[in-house]
Amino acid sequence: DADVTQTPRNRITKTGKRIMLECSQTKGHDRMYWYRQDPGLGLRLIYYSFDVKDINKGEISDGYSVSRQAQAKFSLSLESAIPNQTALYFCATSLQSNEQFFGPGTRLTVL
Amino acid sequence: GQQLNQSPQSMFIQEGEDVSMNCTSSSIFNTWLWYKQDPGEGPVLLIALYKAGELTSNGRLTAQFGITRKDSFLNISASIPSDVGIYFCAGTHHYGGSQGNLIFGKGTKLSVKP
Repeated sequence: DADVTQTPRNRITKTGKRIMLECSQTKGHDRMYWYRQDPGLGLRLIYYSFDVKDINKGEISDGYSVSRQAQAKFSLSLESAIPNQTALYFCATSLQSNEQFFGPGTRLTVL
Repeated sequence: GQQLNQSPQSMFIQEGEDVSMNCTSSSIFNTWLWYKQDPGEGPVLLIALYKAGELTSNGRLTAQFGITRKDSFLNISASIPSDVGIYFCAGTHHYGGSQGNLIFGKGTKLSVKP
């Protein structure tokens, strides 16, 4: 079984819809992260959480929100999706080191 | 925000060739990481470097933490077809346990020569 899982793996939605992407991990890591990947732009940090009561904005948090429901679960929401949020979204986890372990990604298309 | 310059952006390999790529920063980093991403999958950690001058190997892969702490190199020896993919460098100014987060390069895409 995968250590970091993301659901859904693919999602097509329309402008203005609310979308939630979910991440679960069995690695027992305290720290969780959400990234966005666009072609040619690498990975950009959206939000991160160092424990259940800790939520921090990353480089590109506008238009997104997160919820850390438990140590193992971290969800990303798009309150009102827009086409330029079409991208690959990755969840990652880590211990207190900087070594982050990534999930398989969610491909989101906003029409 | 902070950017890492990763080069080359893309390269073609022939089986058996050695491959080199590098990453540079305008400021000092305390950690360098190298990831590989296959199509349709998330990045996978290859090598982590924590000390200036450190040279670390993982099979045919060797990475170095530059002495100036502003760069890192990844070499792949005797490449094989499954080496194709996108390689990302990542770094942080902070040591583990602090508030530092990773900054990623834009990737080097490795393809097979036609």
